[in-house]
Amino acid sequence: DAEITQSPRHKITETGRQVTLACHQTWNHNNMFWYRQDLGHGLRLIHYSYGVQDTNKGEVSDGYSVSRSNTEDLPLTLESAASSQTSVYFCASSENSYTEAFFGQGTRLTVV
Amino acid sequence: TQLLEQSPQFLSIQEGENLTVYCNSSSVFSSLQWYRQEPGEGPVLLVTVVTGGEVKKLKRLTFQFGDARKDSSLHITAAQPGDTGLYLCAGAPHGRDNNNDMRFGAGTRLTVKP
Repeated sequence: DAEITQSPRHKITETGRQVTLACHQTWNHNNMFWYRQDLGHGLRLIHYSYGVQDTNKGEVSDGYSVSRSNTEDLPLTLESAASSQTSVYFCASSENSYTEAFFGQGTRLTVV
Repeated sequence: TQLLEQSPQFLSIQEGENLTVYCNSSSVFSSLQWYRQEPGEGPVLLVTVVTGGEVKKLKRLTFQFGDARKDSSLHITAAQPGDTGLYLCAGAPHGRDNNNDMRFGAGTRLTVKP
């Protein structure tokens, strides 16, 4: 069965370190998204991609970057982790904006 | 200010009661989606509404898309403890160059007590 997986599920890192969160989908979807979820804010879009070599900034992109070298993967990099980036991060993929977005199980990141 | 405003933010009811939660925006949407999220999991799609005024039913859940396609509601009849979860609405605003810019509301956290 097709799926979308995130790794790691939990991570603790120190302020200033570079951190990369992995997202891998086997749906063969062109669209992939990264969101962060914080209490009271719901899911906020960080970055998204239409396809290979395409990346776009979302509403809270500062301090984050993504790259799309193949269809299956969209890694999210925190260039210099800050305590404000402590959050639960979700990756999702979809065929287009009118069809279902499939979500990974999330990565809980703590920056100390 | 969020593009999609959901209300109420929290709702706690007894089993068997009915409830309605709302998703509102000042923007027009080509479609809106409703997701349900359980603790420790990612959101899972419940329904997509596309046409203004559309009503969709999923067992005890009734979803409505506003005539102007700026708002939506979710009504649950005879709520059960299994309905407990975070209900999220999501959509890509109509008319933007980038129609894959899927945005979410903050959600309604529903607790149904037995």
